[in-house]
Amino acid sequence: DIQMTQSPASLSASLEEIVTITCQASQDIGNWLAWYQQKPGKSPQLLIYGATSLADGVPSRFSGSRSGTQYSLKISRLQVEDIGIYYCQQASSAPDTFGAGTKLELK
Amino acid sequence: EVQLVESGGGLVQPGRSLKLSCAASGFTFSNYGMHWIRQAPTKGLEWVASISPSGGSTYYRDSVKGRFTISRDNAKSTLYLQMDSLRSEDTATYYCATDGGTDYYYVGWGQGVMVTVSS
Repeated sequence: DIQMTQSPASLSASLEEIVTITCQASQDIGNWLAWYQQKPGKSPQLLIYGATSLADGVPSRFSGSRSGTQYSLKISRLQVEDIGIYYCQQASSAPDTFGAGTKLELK
Repeated sequence: EVQLVESGGGLVQPGRSLKLSCAASGFTFSNYGMHWIRQAPTKGLEWVASISPSGGSTYYRDSVKGRFTISRDNAKSTLYLQMDSLRSEDTATYYCATDGGTDYYYVGWGQGVMVTVSS
């Protein structure tokens, strides 16, 4: 199975700050990567797919990028409603696998 | 708006069975692949099983093959997960999800249903 190594495991940031979360794939997955946000007590929601495409209804302060087998999720100006756990998912090779998650908290 | 509502969870003894249901609305259920994804307490996400729009193709993670069966009733817009020979490691919140035609990404999720396997 493809391993997705996500970092950091947790992150504390201030409002309006730029936040970056990364995911390293254990092998080439092309652009077959998604990012999900899971707010406390809620189900995950799709943010980014195809490594860089914004899902419907997702604020433009979220963006995704790729450099080789490293993928990044950037929040340009952190808002209160962005607090939660973020997961990456590779969809290149079965079985789909997720990163371990990044817990984002307010400083 | 995509709505997915899971039901059927609960406490079950190891070795017993449980059947989860997921009622879908707000989209044309029969057009899209459907999936079950689980999350053990305080853990991350783990794909469990998938089924094609027609139901003709199914896929499972290795640890549930031969024990879990995914199925769907397109006339009722309902997804199912029959779980047999349950183990303690199957304890998790189970989410149903739709790929919305993407085949690869989970664009809509239910609220989840808890399954606890314990004696």
